[in-house]
Amino acid sequence: DQQVKQNSPSLSVQEGRISILNCDYTNSMFDYFLWYKKYPAEGPTFLISISSIKDKNEDGRFTVFLNKSAKHLSLHIVPSQPGDSAVYFCAASGMNRDDKIIFGKGTRLHILP
Amino acid sequence: GAVVSQHPSWVICKSGTSVKIECRSLDFQATTMFWYRQFPKQSLMLMATSNEGSKATYEQGVEKDKFLINHASLTLSTLTVTSAHPEDSSFYICSASSGAYGYTFGSGTRLTVV
Repeated sequence: DQQVKQNSPSLSVQEGRISILNCDYTNSMFDYFLWYKKYPAEGPTFLISISSIKDKNEDGRFTVFLNKSAKHLSLHIVPSQPGDSAVYFCAASGMNRDDKIIFGKGTRLHILP
Repeated sequence: GAVVSQHPSWVICKSGTSVKIECRSLDFQATTMFWYRQFPKQSLMLMATSNEGSKATYEQGVEKDKFLINHASLTLSTLTVTSAHPEDSSFYICSASSGAYGYTFGSGTRLTVV
């Protein structure tokens, strides 16, 4: 049973426009949500996170929105840049520091020139 | 800060041999490290959770006798793939908890078994 779901395996967005990556989760015990960016043959790099007590967190061009009642979160990138082309993983964790992270399958984002 | 060094970055080995992958936290102590495996176009799958000084906790379906994990110190965890077979070829990544909700990942190891 997949607890973290990214239903769009890929997404293409024009450079300069907004990229919206979506993620759904099923476990109501998740307390912390993270987005990672991954280039081929590299480890994922942390992008942005949000705790369950918030509904929005913004960091530069990246904003994560959390809708707890819908068990849904999204990552907005605006404006999209060519270097944003990568695979984005949504992940969720419990409230304890050493809780394991559960990853979604990822969404490949293509930024078109 | 919060750097995790993973070695080797890639390795080719013969079928039946064993391969050891190291994961080091360079500037922090990591009581818990996680080992992931990624197949092409699939998510990162958690294989096991490694705790310093105790036995690792393996996820369902992961063979503990095949994937040996040792977390002998607060800065080093190792994953040994024993009697490797071609189906073990994959990308292995470690991560360590580096602070409040901070997870730092290693750069990954590409294992190819021939």
